[in-house]
Order: sequence, then structure tokens, then C-alpha cells
Amino acid sequence: AQTVTQSQPEMSVQEAETVTLSCTYDTSESDYYLFWYKQPPSRQMILVIRQEAYKQQNATENRFSVNFQKAAKSFSLKISDSQLGDAAMYFCAYRSSGNTGNQFYFGTGTSLTVIP
Amino acid sequence: NAGVTQTPKFQVLKTGQSMTLQCAQDMNHEYMSWYRQDPGMGLRLIHYSVGAGITDQGEVPNGYNVSRSTTEDFPLRLLSAAPSQTSVYFCASRPNRSGNTIYFGEGSWLTVV
Repeated sequence: AQTVTQSQPEMSVQEAETVTLSCTYDTSESDYYLFWYKQPPSRQMILVIRQEAYKQQNATENRFSVNFQKAAKSFSLKISDSQLGDAAMYFCAYRSSGNTGNQFYFGTGTSLTVIP
Repeated sequence: NAGVTQTPKFQVLKTGQSMTLQCAQDMNHEYMSWYRQDPGMGLRLIHYSVGAGITDQGEVPNGYNVSRSTTEDFPLRLLSAAPSQTSVYFCASRPNRSGNTIYFGEGSWLTVV
């Protein structure tokens, strides 16, 4: 099974500053999808951004962008101009694009605190 | 469009009791899943279904049963609750095998005493 590792259990950032959350993964596949989900205190999981492995261009969604390094199997999330509403648990996730792509594999999460 | 609806949101069980967590989606999604979330362990897949009448085990299936008699509903049954099953449970759905966006329910907090 694929593994997803988030090595930062907790991170903090000053409001309006930039923060980067790290994620690495282990796979032997060449085509797959990567995701970042946000889980606020309400506990509902919200998709932040996704990246297709076959695309070289890094995905961007407003203040959220990723740094996808396929060879290094690294998928970090950059949050620019951090806002108080960004405070949440962030999960990195992996999904195969092949016939075994029924499952999403999640990291253990990074708790982000935004300091006013 | 309510999305994915889970009930109950909170439940306290005694060891050995059984219960069912309900999950319903109104988006006509083929794929539905149950995850549990524990501190320091992220989300782990319990069971999933790729369509009505089809279910399969995930990473941590022991102690749980599922069925998928309709496209909309995917209940999770705890057969004989144990303290180790204290967790937050999430139901999720996505349109089909190639769908990349998971729609999660709001979660169900289960405590087994």
C-alpha cells in the first residue's frame, strides 16, 4: 500500500505571512493524484487543492499553491497571506489512477495555527 | 442537495453493544467509503463500496460490517463495540472510479465505555 507522510504535526504562522506544509509519499506508480484537504474545527473535510502527477505545472488555487517534486515524491502546500480562517488540520492524500485506485491514502495531518 | 449526511453526530456506547452509523448521499455517487480518524493516525479506510450490492474491505475492517442495498445509503455496523473503536467516523462519497473529489460527511463521534 502507498504511504503518505506528514512530518510536521503542528505548524504556526503569523496572519498575512506565508507558510509551507510538507508531505512526502511512497509509490511505485507513475500516474496518480495528490490532494490537500483542510479540516477545520467543524471536522468536515474540505478539498483545498489537487495535483495530477502527469502534469508538470504546479496546481494553484487562489492563495494556495503546491510544490510538486515527482522525482523526490514530495508534495508541499504553500499558503500565502495566511488568514485566521486558515487555521485547521491539513491532510495530504494520495490516490492511484490505475485499477487499484479505489482508495485514498491519507497522511497523519498537520495542525496549523494562525497567530493574529 | 444535502451532500453526504451522517447520523448520529454523537454516540456513547457500552462495551459489547451494537449500533449502526447511517450515511446517505443524494448526489448519485457510485463510490462510498467509511473512514475512522484517530489522533496521530490520520484517516484510515474501514470499508468501501463501488456500487449498490458491492462492498470491500479497507485497511481496518475488523469489528465492522457494511452493506450497500441502494446507491444512496451505506450504513456502518459495529457488531460488538469495543473501547478501541472510540473514534471519529467519516462517511465519504465520490462520483465514480475516476472521480477525484471526495465529499465527506460531517463526522460521527463515537465513544465506547
